[in-house]
Amino acid sequence: GESVGLHLPTLSVQEGDNSIINCAYSNSASDYFIWYKQESGKGPQFIIDIRSNMDKRQGQRVTVLLNKTVKHLSLQIAATQPGDSAVYFCAETYNTDKLIFGTGTRLQVFP
Amino acid sequence: DVKVTQSSRYLVKRTGEKVFLECVQDMDHENMFWYRQDPGLGLRLIYFSYDVKMKEKGDIPEGYSVSREKKERFSLILESASTNQTSMYLCASSRGQGLWEKLFFGSGTQLSVL
Repeated sequence: GESVGLHLPTLSVQEGDNSIINCAYSNSASDYFIWYKQESGKGPQFIIDIRSNMDKRQGQRVTVLLNKTVKHLSLQIAATQPGDSAVYFCAETYNTDKLIFGTGTRLQVFP
Repeated sequence: DVKVTQSSRYLVKRTGEKVFLECVQDMDHENMFWYRQDPGLGLRLIYFSYDVKMKEKGDIPEGYSVSREKKERFSLILESASTNQTSMYLCASSRGQGLWEKLFFGSGTQLSVL
């Protein structure tokens, strides 16, 4: 499949371990954040979102943490599986202005 | 599930050709988007539309135009393709309330301009 980024930061984890993917966002006034997952050869897929009035939100096996003080967003994946291997993007928006996407982090899961 | 379908997975065109990229969504979404994705640059917004016949420029509209004649269909047009338009093109849609929330993406069209 196509490479979405030749020089992406890469996180390698062992199957079954927890993964933490980090994202520093740019605008301290951003009020809505999203994590997307992009598998090789596919378009980005929505994972989870969070608004700025929250610090934490949980989904199925995923948790997003928001630290507004340091403009930091993280995605935690519990019990990482081979199917979690992909590029993960964070995105931010302020007051319904356009989404700003990060450049992505590649997650590699090895047995 | 929302399905966003892009008509071509791979396209090879020559410099100067007029290129049409088609996108159809089946969930009656008001908003549709065209992005391009390049290594190291992430996703960049070309154009978007929040209603039929409405269009708004994104961050990199130069060299592109769009058409939204029907709610379910959003076309990206390269009037005269150039090599720097070689890229992965991604179409997306979202429901009316929350223009930028929960975009659903197609699988992309990898365009090569020779």
